[in-house]
Amino acid sequence: DAGVTQSPTHLIKTRGQQVTLRCSPKSGHDTVSWYQQALGQGPQFIFQYYEEEERQRGNFPDRFSGHQFPNYSSELNVNALLLGDSALYLCASSPAGHWNEQFFGPGTRLTVL
Amino acid sequence: QQPVQSPQAVILREGEDAVINCSSSKALYSVHWYRQKHGEAPVFLMILLKGGEQKGHDKISASFNEKKQQSSLYLTASQLSYSGTYFCGTQRATGNQFYFGTGTSLTVIP
Repeated sequence: DAGVTQSPTHLIKTRGQQVTLRCSPKSGHDTVSWYQQALGQGPQFIFQYYEEEERQRGNFPDRFSGHQFPNYSSELNVNALLLGDSALYLCASSPAGHWNEQFFGPGTRLTVL
Repeated sequence: QQPVQSPQAVILREGEDAVINCSSSKALYSVHWYRQKHGEAPVFLMILLKGGEQKGHDKISASFNEKKQQSSLYLTASQLSYSGTYFCGTQRATGNQFYFGTGTSLTVIP
């Protein structure tokens, strides 16, 4: 059984560009959450998707948007990249009915130059 | 809103015990514990849902005092593999948002 997968592994962008990160949840999981983890910090909650809708959102600007597809996979989009967006972006999936049990993917390391 | 963990860092010798504390200023519904090794994703350890609940597996256990909005993680007879950064994650009594704590770096040396 494959765990949570994320792509790409690493990404380098320049300021002002846009980026799309992808996440495939574990089999049987229907909820996907996205986190931003800056170096040396704990993960910060961006938003959570369930049934293709954003269920909860953290304190992130509208430049951060997402989507969940019918197969439960998810995308995180960030527009107008800033240097401060450089971080590890983590996706976590949760099993149906147990959305507070989170299993993390390996993350995507985004560097903004 | 971010839970505060203490200590920030701890160094242990193999076989020693450690306690990591997590404290929130908000009423909590649940507390989660994760371990993250350098360059890797956080790994789920356990979740505590009720006040006063205590859980554990192997030599790692945790307690959750709902009234005090505090949780503690207990590592007994530490092993080298326990090294990493431990994060508590809290879910408030209202809403589904998770807040990860400030983190505790734990290093186990031979």
